[in-house]
Amino acid sequence: DVKVTQSSRYLVKRTGEKVFLECVQDMDHENMFWYRQDPGLGLRLIYFSYDVKMKEKGDIPEGYSVSREKKERFSLILESASTNQTSMYLCASSLLQTGNRNIQYFGAGTRLSVL
Amino acid sequence: AQKITQTQPGMFVQEKEAVTLDCTYDTSDPSYGLFWYKQPSSGEMIFLIYQGSYDQQNATEGRYSLNFQKARKSANLVISASQLGDSAMYFCAMRETSGGYNKLIFGAGTRLAVHP
Repeated sequence: DVKVTQSSRYLVKRTGEKVFLECVQDMDHENMFWYRQDPGLGLRLIYFSYDVKMKEKGDIPEGYSVSREKKERFSLILESASTNQTSMYLCASSLLQTGNRNIQYFGAGTRLSVL
Repeated sequence: AQKITQTQPGMFVQEKEAVTLDCTYDTSDPSYGLFWYKQPSSGEMIFLIYQGSYDQQNATEGRYSLNFQKARKSANLVISASQLGDSAMYFCAMRETSGGYNKLIFGAGTRLAVHP
């Protein structure tokens, strides 16, 4: 089974802090994704990566950055956390194949509160 | 632009009954893929079922089936014989075809409550 592991289930941070959210997958997937989930808005893509050291902006990249130094690990960084970044963050991974049936596998999520 | 719409914020169903969760989509691409995910209270998104735009038959996976009506651009999820463990958020998603990357576009989700 594909395993996507997010390092923290719950985080509480102060405004202005630098926050790291870590994600590791064990299925040698090329693609990795970071989403945020807010009630009534579904999942919105923040950043994704299709290879080591490669990254692409998603729909809402402002206030975030990412790092992918190893294939299995994809980090989301909040350089200076703000209260409007309080949300559920979900990491996902998938194969690089270009067909339509490309399933993304998700971690359990990190619920971040910024006070 | 591609879009997914789920118009039911919440639904409830009696245990052992069938329930349909609505999903409509908008795309101009003739080739696309549609997905349903389940998110229990634990938070993890679980893949349920996939339908390709060129698939001849509606997809089925155990108690899950997809009522795919291409002309209406709808891909409703049908859960038969509901169980208490089916209580969760359900998301419809579509593969975004622009840019060549395997991105997904998600709907807002439907919260399903199964009552005993």
